[in-house]
Amino acid sequence: DIVMTQTPLSLSVTPGQPASISCKSSQSLLHRDERTYLYWYLQKPGQSPQLLIYEVSNRFSGVPDRFSGSGSGTDFTLKISRVEAEDVGVYYCMQSIQLPLTFGGGTKVEIK
Amino acid sequence: QVTLKESGPALVKPTQTLTLTCTFSGFSLSTSGIYVGWIRQPPGKALEWLARIDWDDDKFYSTSLKTRLTVSKDTSKNQVVLTMTNMDPVDTATYYCARAELGLEAFDIWGQGTMVTVSS
Repeated sequence: DIVMTQTPLSLSVTPGQPASISCKSSQSLLHRDERTYLYWYLQKPGQSPQLLIYEVSNRFSGVPDRFSGSGSGTDFTLKISRVEAEDVGVYYCMQSIQLPLTFGGGTKVEIK
Repeated sequence: QVTLKESGPALVKPTQTLTLTCTFSGFSLSTSGIYVGWIRQPPGKALEWLARIDWDDDKFYSTSLKTRLTVSKDTSKNQVVLTMTNMDPVDTATYYCARAELGLEAFDIWGQGTMVTVSS
């Protein structure tokens, strides 16, 4: 199984300041079809996860442009350019290049 | 509008079999490329993928849980059923079903989740 490792475990951010979360996979997520199967989810308190980013850097429908994803191969980053109060929750990366799908351990983002 | 909702017992005893139903609307599991997955989350812990069933009835399971899991679908009822045998307290978690499709390869719509506690 592919292991997904996220850092940091938690992040406390002042509103309006940027935030960055790292995700590393134990194997390359670049498929021979040239797509990279790395996704980001946000689970707000008491809610189900919601898809933010697909294939490394594509924002899902309705996701604000303050969220951006980057990376390649085994190293990926989610950035929030200016954190807002509604961004609190736990962020997860996920790979789907290979079954079983696997998630990172999560990064909890809170507001200072 | 696509929705999914999980249902099942809130409490099961150790060694019992858990049966969860995912009832969905707004899409059909007979449509090519669509699939439904199950994911669970123990209290305060990370997400864990369990199983998936595809429009063509292909089924896939977690490596560590595959001997205990069975997933099936009833297309006419718009339902997917997950059974997990030999439940243990470590299986206490919120269980989610979610939709995905080939092309996106990720769960775009999730159910609200159902909390299952395993205790005698």
